[in-house]
Amino acid sequence: DGGITQSPKYLFRKEGQNVTLSCEQNLNHDAMYWYRQDPGQGLRLIYYSQIVNDFQKGDIAEGYSVSREKKESFPLTVTSAQKNPTAFYLCASSLQLAASTDTQYFGPGTRLTVL
Amino acid sequence: GQQVMQIPQYQHVQEGEDFTTYCNSSTTLSNIQWYKQRPGGHPVFLIQLVKSGEVKKQKRLTFQFGEAKKNSSLHITATQTTDVGTYFCAGPRTGGGADGLTFGKGTHLIIQP
Repeated sequence: DGGITQSPKYLFRKEGQNVTLSCEQNLNHDAMYWYRQDPGQGLRLIYYSQIVNDFQKGDIAEGYSVSREKKESFPLTVTSAQKNPTAFYLCASSLQLAASTDTQYFGPGTRLTVL
Repeated sequence: GQQVMQIPQYQHVQEGEDFTTYCNSSTTLSNIQWYKQRPGGHPVFLIQLVKSGEVKKQKRLTFQFGEAKKNSSLHITATQTTDVGTYFCAGPRTGGGADGLTFGKGTHLIIQP
């Protein structure tokens, strides 16, 4: 059963703590992405990776970090430097490296709440 | 930077009425994609338009890409309760490469039975 999995579904964190969100895909996709969604808002790109061991900042990278040690995995760390981390976090992947016409497949998301 | 704007933000319709959402980009797009997100769910790809003036249909859904490739629309004929959700348009974030999409803020479709 191919797809993208994200865990956990709900996550609660105290202020000042770092937290890591998991994203795994078995679609053999090269590119992976992290988006943030706030209520009533569209999706905003945090980080993306086109290939293993390489990643790029998106539009709102401050306060976040990522790694891409394996093709299948692209974890996102929300650090204490992120001023307003409460949001719905969506991971996505796409097949091709060079094509901007690529469909993105989304995971089910992680809803992070900072207490 | 590139901006993608969608209107309206919310649309209430009676079941059976038609629905249209409009998308405008500040730059010319090589393609535009449409996604649907059900309440509590994640975005799911609907379609991609590539050619100037392109029109594509999926059952009751009609998608259009403008001649200048800067705007697009999604029209749903005779809405059903299963159409409830948020519809997003998205364009490539930059001119080329798989470096993500810029999404509009979406149109929330609310259907009253």
